[in-house]
Amino acid sequence: DAKTTQPNSMESNEEEPVHLPCNHSTISGTDYIHWYRQLPSQGPEYVIHGLTSNVNNRMASLAIAEDRKSSTLILHRATLRDAAVYYCILSTGGYQKVTFGTGTKLQVIP
Amino acid sequence: SAVISQKPSRDICQRGTSLTIQCQVDSQVTMMFWYRQQPGQSLTLIATANQGSEATYESGFVIDKFPISRPNLTFSTLTVSNMSPEDSSIYLCSVQKLDSYGYTFGSGTRLTVV
Repeated sequence: DAKTTQPNSMESNEEEPVHLPCNHSTISGTDYIHWYRQLPSQGPEYVIHGLTSNVNNRMASLAIAEDRKSSTLILHRATLRDAAVYYCILSTGGYQKVTFGTGTKLQVIP
Repeated sequence: SAVISQKPSRDICQRGTSLTIQCQVDSQVTMMFWYRQQPGQSLTLIATANQGSEATYESGFVIDKFPISRPNLTFSTLTVSNMSPEDSSIYLCSVQKLDSYGYTFGSGTRLTVV
């Protein structure tokens, strides 16, 4: 599996934007970039995914570098409920297993 | 997305015993997976549950310790056998639906072995 690298932890003030980076320099042309987050005492939940173009949904935006070797998850206004571990993972389109890296623990400061 | 019911949500077990964890999905899914999450750690894939055939295990995990069943497209079980305190972890079921790139996770089973 292609590997992703994320900072172990980040902090953000409440109601400010948060940019969570992910490096995936060995990404292949068919790998989708997925982001999941894990709230305390819960299983991971889907946030967003993309292939080449930037993506927006109600939860977040995903900015993908032109060479696809990195991506950034953008939370436009962090709330206390966004405090979680955020995982960036790669998955080839289709029915495949996925493996998790260490993730970024986001702390939101009121 | 699929809705997963994972049972039990938590249990405290004696060493040497076994626990079976159930994962029930509200709709048919293509792929089912089992993960382990040790305290303060990320998720580690144990195996892919295959319908009607033996599960596919990741390196470091064996069928004798973690037998898995998947009798149909909506249900799977993971058994943690001959437990020791090192098996104390959260065990999570995950599924992927047909025509979906996303994965849904259960809320997990918190296992403590004493």
